[in-house]
Amino acid sequence: SQQGEEDPQALSIQEGENATMNCSYKTSINNLQWYRQNSGRGLVHLILIRSNEREKHSGRLRVTLDTSKKSSSLLITASRAADTASYFCATDPNSGGYQKVTFGIGTKLQVIP
Amino acid sequence: KAGVTQTPRYLIKTRGQQVTLSCSPISGHRSVSWYQQTPGQGLQFLFEYFSETQRNKGNFPGRFSGRQFSNSRSEMNVSTLELGDSALYLCASGSTRGNQETQYFGPGTRLLVL
Repeated sequence: SQQGEEDPQALSIQEGENATMNCSYKTSINNLQWYRQNSGRGLVHLILIRSNEREKHSGRLRVTLDTSKKSSSLLITASRAADTASYFCATDPNSGGYQKVTFGIGTKLQVIP
Repeated sequence: KAGVTQTPRYLIKTRGQQVTLSCSPISGHRSVSWYQQTPGQGLQFLFEYFSETQRNKGNFPGRFSGRQFSNSRSEMNVSTLELGDSALYLCASGSTRGNQETQYFGPGTRLLVL
């Protein structure tokens, strides 16, 4: 099963609205990353938040991390049609050695103009 | 710097054939990871190479193999193709081995097995 699980699986909003996506994971982590993927293309790195950070901003993106609940959220403010894409969280487990980054299944976001 | 490149971009094969996909990482990156992406399973980790050594492997059958060359370019091979191998295969490169690493993805190779 996936280490990271995004919620919801699909989200449709009007342009200008905010979009919130959540990610839950199972084991302790070193960091959590969010990626974006346009249809059929590679993933683009958006933001990395370390386990000792609680919130991070990058432009219209805001990421929070709650390690006690093993969850993270990605907020996109003032959404645009160009934000339509799938969004993935990826967790880097803290297991005492190098372990692979694990991706969730993703949230498919549609922003309607 | 040029990004991660993957060739070919699209490929159609028939069951039983084998296929080799290629990935060239960002110049200076020594880590290359491969992922399989399907609508139902999302991104599944295949394997990761660092300095020509396989450092990590996902839960895929032995039909899936890979290698990395001294220039960090990587190839993955799938033998005896099955219909279920149809997917987008993504490779990602990173600058370091270990944690706190951002991966840079290529555009992917879309494989269709008929």
